[in-house]
Amino acid sequence: DQQVKQNSPSLSVQEGRISILNCDYTNSMFDYFLWYKKYPAEGPTFLISISSIKDKNEDGRFTVFLNKSAKHLSLHIVPSQPGDSAVYFCAADSNTGNQFYFGTGTSLTVIP
Amino acid sequence: DTAVSQTPKYLVTQMGNDKSIKCEQNLGHDTMYWYKQDSKKFLKIMFSYNNKELIINETVPNRFSPKSPDKAHLNLHINSLELGDSAVYFCASSRKDRGNSPLHFGNGTRLTVT
Repeated sequence: DQQVKQNSPSLSVQEGRISILNCDYTNSMFDYFLWYKKYPAEGPTFLISISSIKDKNEDGRFTVFLNKSAKHLSLHIVPSQPGDSAVYFCAADSNTGNQFYFGTGTSLTVIP
Repeated sequence: DTAVSQTPKYLVTQMGNDKSIKCEQNLGHDTMYWYKQDSKKFLKIMFSYNNKELIINETVPNRFSPKSPDKAHLNLHINSLELGDSAVYFCASSRKDRGNSPLHFGNGTRLTVT
C-alpha cells in the first residue's frame, strides 16, 4: 500500500521556465515532508523539506508547498536549469514513525 | 568527506552465493536504514536500526540479515542469493533524536544475481 504517490513519471520543461512536481499522500500522521533529487548511479540527495506546521518553505530557486487538507505537496523550481534534470522523489515521515515513505519519483528534463 | 559510504558499488554474483554490503556513516546519526530500489524505481524500507537496535524489519526474507556493530555501521548480509534479489540497495542514516531530520543516503550498491 503506497502511502506517498507521485502520479507523473516524467516532466519536460524549457530552461528558464517553472518546473512543478507534485506529490500526494494518504497518511494523516505524516508531519514532515521532503524532496530528494537523484542523478543516475548516485544516491538520492536531500533538497528541501517542510514541517506540517508550515504551508511553504523556500530555499533559493526551490519552494515546497504543503496543502494538508488535500494531502498534497508540490515542489516548484524557478527558473529551471539544465542541471536540474534528474529524478525527484518526495518522501514523508512522522515524528513517531520509524521510516521514511517515498514516492516512485518524477523524472525531470530541463531542455536548454 | 563522504557522509554515508557503502561498499561495494557494484556486486555481480551467482545464484546461491552469500554476499555482504557494508555501510558506514560519519554524521553522528543515531538511526540507520537499508532501502531497496526495485526495477520499478520504488524505494522500499527493509530495515531500520536505532542505536544498534533493530526497530523495523519489513517483510524481507530471512536470508537478509542486518548487522550493526556500532552506531556508525550497518552491514547487510544476504544468504543464498536469488535472481529476484537483483536491485539497488541504499544505506541511509538520520538523526531521530532531534525530531524531524532528513535522511542521508549512500550512493547505492547495484546487486546483479546471475
